[in-house]
Amino acid sequence: NAGVTQTPKFQVLKTGQSMTLQCAQDMNHNSMYWYRQDPGMGLRLIYYSASEGTTDKGEVPNGYNVSRLNKREFSLRLESAAPSQTSVYFCASRLSGGHEQYFGPGTRLTVT
Amino acid sequence: GNSVTQMEGPVTLSEEAFLTINCTYTATGYPSLFWYVQYPGEGLQLLLKATKADDKGSNKGFEATYRKETTSFHLEKGSVQVSDSAVYFCALLDNNAGNMLTFGGGTRLMVKP
Repeated sequence: NAGVTQTPKFQVLKTGQSMTLQCAQDMNHNSMYWYRQDPGMGLRLIYYSASEGTTDKGEVPNGYNVSRLNKREFSLRLESAAPSQTSVYFCASRLSGGHEQYFGPGTRLTVT
Repeated sequence: GNSVTQMEGPVTLSEEAFLTINCTYTATGYPSLFWYVQYPGEGLQLLLKATKADDKGSNKGFEATYRKETTSFHLEKGSVQVSDSAVYFCALLDNNAGNMLTFGGGTRLMVKP
């Protein structure tokens, strides 16, 4: 099992450009999450999907959209990137009833 | 709302020293508590957890006890190794809030040989 995979690993965007971060898990987990990690602030939840077909806002959803494409895949879209979205983005998944979230390796995004 | 506060780092120790990283939390209910570790260039991995008061989580020589009376979950290890150098995150899971994790700001540990 690959666990949670994310693409790309690194990305540089200009202000106003759009892009989609991809996440997939092969553990048959129901719940999936997108976080951003900024220095000194830990991880903050952007959006989550409790099950296929549902998505909900987290703590910092502004400027982002998500799609739960199927049970395996959960993508994060930046429609018009801003320098404030420079961050490391982590995807995670969790089995229903379980406590542990499993994290992907992250995508480092720089917006200039 | 829920919040987690960790001691700021970096924490720099010599090999075989005793480690304590403090973590306190604020929560409305009875959360589960976790320590995650992030090694350089990697995602977070669960290190240990405790799901109710007085539980002790332990793994790889690390321990933490869920103290409801002091709302704390301090991470300890008796003898650190260079390979323990990483960023450590304390987190809580509020089962009544969509099973969302709330993280502390992270504490960087550097262990010197």
